[in-house]
Amino acid sequence: NAGVTQTPKFQVLKTGQSMTLQCAQDMNHEYMSWYRQDPGMGLRLIHYSVGAGITDQGEVPNGYNVSRSTTEDFPLRLLSAAPSQTSVYFCASSYGQAESDTQYFGPGTRLTVL
Amino acid sequence: AQSVTQPDIHITVSEGASLELRCNYSYGATPYLFWYVQSPGQGLQLLLKYFSGDTLVQGIKGFEAEFKRSQSSFNLRKPSVHWSDAAEYFCAVGGKGAQKLVFGQGTRLTINP
Repeated sequence: NAGVTQTPKFQVLKTGQSMTLQCAQDMNHEYMSWYRQDPGMGLRLIHYSVGAGITDQGEVPNGYNVSRSTTEDFPLRLLSAAPSQTSVYFCASSYGQAESDTQYFGPGTRLTVL
Repeated sequence: AQSVTQPDIHITVSEGASLELRCNYSYGATPYLFWYVQSPGQGLQLLLKYFSGDTLVQGIKGFEAEFKRSQSSFNLRKPSVHWSDAAEYFCAVGGKGAQKLVFGQGTRLTINP
């Protein structure tokens, strides 16, 4: 199993550009989520999905869109990048149902918006 | 509102010394608690988790944590640290199925030789 994969690893954007961060998992997990990590603030939840076709907002959803057309993939879209979106982005997944479940994290995407 | 507080931003200990990292949480339902470790430039690796049963949980790399409901705490401990334990440690709380995790700010651990 590859686990949770994210592409790209690094990205530099100019203000106003759009891009999609890709996330895929091969563990047949129903629950997937996106976090951003900023210094001194831990990880904050952007959006999450409990299954294909179902998404919801987390703590910091503004400026980001998501969709979940398949169980495996959960892309994060920045429609018009802003410098405040400079961050490290992590995708995570879990079965999302049992008490003993664990979220598994991808390696992250480091995004810089100029 | 759900929240996690890690009071110590940075801790320095000597190699071979014992370690305790503090974590306090606020959660309106049954808490499911996690400790993750992150090495520089890497993703997050699960150290251990508590979801029910014995309040003292064992994890990987010799770490353990104790859930104290009365104190809303889930402190991480290790009896003897190794230089390779230098990393950032995150405490998190979430709902059943590890959904919607709320993370603390993290504690950066430095090991003196």
